[in-house]
Amino acid sequence: DTEVTQTPKHLVMGMTNKKSLKCEQHMGHRAMYWYKQKAKKPPELMFVYSYEKLSINESVPSRFSPECPNSSLLNLHLHALQPEDSALYLCASSQGGGGGAGNTIYFGEGSWLTVV
Amino acid sequence: QKEVEQNSGPLSVPEGAIASLNCTYSDRGSQSFFWYRQYSGKSPELIMFIYSNGDKEDGRFTAQLNKASQYVSLLIRDSQPSDSATYLCAVKFWSGQNFVFGPGTRLSVLP
Repeated sequence: DTEVTQTPKHLVMGMTNKKSLKCEQHMGHRAMYWYKQKAKKPPELMFVYSYEKLSINESVPSRFSPECPNSSLLNLHLHALQPEDSALYLCASSQGGGGGAGNTIYFGEGSWLTVV
Repeated sequence: QKEVEQNSGPLSVPEGAIASLNCTYSDRGSQSFFWYRQYSGKSPELIMFIYSNGDKEDGRFTAQLNKASQYVSLLIRDSQPSDSATYLCAVKFWSGQNFVFGPGTRLSVLP
């Protein structure tokens, strides 16, 4: 079972709504990630937090706003989304340093987002 | 440009056969290599990682890495219908924290 927990599992929101996706990990990992995955495509990196600081932002539109309140929590705030933003949003974590096993990314079960 | 390539499939094998999944990558400065399995509608699940040349075995799965040829593969022995899924190859490069995922290979194990 994954030790990365995401809520909610499913979210339907209108284009004018504000909502948040939440992620929590209890593995003591120092790096946390948001990925977006569309059907039949691989996960696409959105953001990386390392030691609670944003280290990578892959040119994601400002309607997606990440937040890392502490080393165990990661949020993704959503505002004024478009229907094309409908996708599976995956949170992941890794130890955050070193080679080999320390690089392994572990995914949560994902949050299915539908924008109507 | 760091790229990871996989055959998209579908790759069909009969039950009990060996399934061979291949992945090539473009950057020699690659550090670690990962195989994930993703069932339809689910999140990716780690199968195994490898970072040294050669073979690494875990149960029915064997990962093979050849850094000179920039090639990593996954063999699944005694394939079962439950192995039917999309298999994602991911490469971690020395610089940065991102993984680069290949497009995935869809495997179908026929009973």
